Amino acid sequence: GAGVSQSPSNKVTEKGKDVELRCDPISGHTALYWYRQSLGQGLEFLIYFQGNSAPDKSGLPSDRFSAERTGGSVSTLTIQRTQQEDSAVYLCASSLSASVETQYFGPGTRLLVL
Amino acid sequence: AQTVTQSQPEMSVQEAETVTLSCTYDTSESDYYLFWYKQPPSRQMILVIRQEAYKQQNATENRFSVNFQKAAKSFSLKISDSQLGDAAMYFCAYRYSGGSNYKLTFGKGTLLTVNP
Repeated sequence: GAGVSQSPSNKVTEKGKDVELRCDPISGHTALYWYRQSLGQGLEFLIYFQGNSAPDKSGLPSDRFSAERTGGSVSTLTIQRTQQEDSAVYLCASSLSASVETQYFGPGTRLLVL
Repeated sequence: AQTVTQSQPEMSVQEAETVTLSCTYDTSESDYYLFWYKQPPSRQMILVIRQEAYKQQNATENRFSVNFQKAAKSFSLKISDSQLGDAAMYFCAYRYSGGSNYKLTFGKGTLLTVNP
């Protein structure tokens, strides 16, 4: 596609439910990043994937968060047993490779946990 | 750990005027990249300009330019001839060139208002 796409655009869920957020990177981009944007914490790195290498999960805030990337393209961020503090905008970005410095962002998914 | 500080939570400028947004960062590394991203209400983060730390020349992109002071660890963004479409949240970001984690570290952002 022309840019990074994310779905859904908005998600409202109840506390304790699981949610899945999807990211479709720019075609041909091997590096993919997830960030979280919240009022209190600003923009935080969550996880990044580079090709077939093991992902860097150093930014995941708890074991309720996980992500996978199938076939080196689409990625899914899963949050289990959602809490109200998980409410935020989740942004995905991709770059041609991890060493190429420019990351291109998607429009984000706004998650609201009631 | 690297940190990025944007000391101006909000700024305003008159249309056609010039405004400068401030950013300072802290790092012990010598090779890195710096970025300014713009985030309008649509939430889409758009790259405005980037600077390689090894380059002494300041980056420019049309009406946008930076003042990169490596020794002072300062990276300000100047917007000339401000337009209504420049109104957005602006984020300064840092990325280390080495290592294995190419994550961006962001400042808290500056909300820019452009007055007609």
